[in-house]
Amino acid sequence: GAGVSQSPSNKVTEKGKDVELRCDPISGHTALYWYRQSLGQGLEFLIYFQGNSAPDKSGLPSDRFSAERTGGSVSTLTIQRTQQEDSAVYLCASSPAGVEETQYFGPGTRLLVL
Amino acid sequence: SQQGEEDPQALSIQEGENATMNCSYKTSINNLQWYRQNSGRGLVHLILIRSNEREKHSGRLRVTLDTSKKSSSLLITASRAADTASYFCAYYNAGNNRKLIWGLGTSLAVNP
Repeated sequence: GAGVSQSPSNKVTEKGKDVELRCDPISGHTALYWYRQSLGQGLEFLIYFQGNSAPDKSGLPSDRFSAERTGGSVSTLTIQRTQQEDSAVYLCASSPAGVEETQYFGPGTRLLVL
Repeated sequence: SQQGEEDPQALSIQEGENATMNCSYKTSINNLQWYRQNSGRGLVHLILIRSNEREKHSGRLRVTLDTSKKSSSLLITASRAADTASYFCAYYNAGNNRKLIWGLGTSLAVNP
């Protein structure tokens, strides 16, 4: 079956521009997670969705970051006025119900802000 | 910080040798998971061990959990070049079962 997909796979943008990153979770998975991973580092939690609602936005680093999920499926992470420190790999994961389960990861979007 | 810690940070071994990685955590947990990340397959779940389990096996992988020491280990036996990857432990804080907390990972190189 299809796994988690993310697009684009790579994104190069100029400082100050907005970017949108997309995640398609596994069909039927109600929980969706966004993470950020800087070079050589572990994963930094950004936001969690259960269905369309986001009960935990605690990891969003600033108000330039926002995310939405529509129809309980596709999610978009938007970074406004990008900064060089936003350069990282953005990973999306999904799980069936979101309670202490295995998470299934997409291949990530590598973002480079020049 | 609740972040887990793995050690060693980096490990280099020869094919056929065993590799052991350790993870320490700071909170009460209900389960702990190990993931592998390499450039070819991205981040993949390996094994989950629950807090009432002490040891679990999956193929060439053996995971132990010591809740009294808040530590876990991952043993890969008879390593192969294809095992070259970064290995992460991750766990849910028992008080917040919807957010995985991740360690910084161990980078394993298996030399042919």
